[in-house]
Amino acid sequence: NAGVTQTPKFQVLKTGQSMTLQCAQDMNHEYMSWYRQDPGMGLRLIHYSVGAGITDQGEVPNGYNVSRSTTEDFPLRLLSAAPSQTSVYFCASRYQGSSEQYFGPGTRLTVT
Amino acid sequence: GQQVMQIPQYQHVQEGEDFTTYCNSSTTLSNIQWYKQRPGGHPVFLIQLVKSGEVKKQKRLTFQFGEAKKNSSLHITATQTTDVGTYFCAAYSTNAGKSTFGDGTTLTVKP
Repeated sequence: NAGVTQTPKFQVLKTGQSMTLQCAQDMNHEYMSWYRQDPGMGLRLIHYSVGAGITDQGEVPNGYNVSRSTTEDFPLRLLSAAPSQTSVYFCASRYQGSSEQYFGPGTRLTVT
Repeated sequence: GQQVMQIPQYQHVQEGEDFTTYCNSSTTLSNIQWYKQRPGGHPVFLIQLVKSGEVKKQKRLTFQFGEAKKNSSLHITATQTTDVGTYFCAAYSTNAGKSTFGDGTTLTVKP
């Protein structure tokens, strides 16, 4: 199993550009989520999904969209990038009945 | 929403010294998990505590869940350079179906 994979690993955007961060898992986990991690801070939940076709907002959803058309994939879209979105983004997944999360390697995003 | 406070934010120790990080919540927790993130890496699950007063050990790591299920601690005995990283607690809410992470404690170990 590859576990949780994320692409790209690094990305530089200009203010106003849009892009999609990819996340995929091959563990058949129902629950997937996106976090951002800023220096010296913990992980803040952006959006999450409890299954295909179902998504919900986390603590910091503004400026981001998600969709969950399959169990495996959970892309995160930045609509119009802003410097405040410079961060490391982690995707995570888990089984519905468990609180143990498996994290991807992260995407380091810089917005200039 | 649920808030989880973690202290200290940073801890610098000499190799061989002990280390403890604390996690506190204003509300009763369903369970709590601990994760470790190595520099430049991603969080990796260490353990989950569920029962009031629970104590679990993993080699030199001891995890405790408070009697009131509002606080938890991670203690490392005789730190090694391999213990370097940031340790996060995450409080899981059954009602919300999601976890809230503390800000983490970053441990550096001087050889």
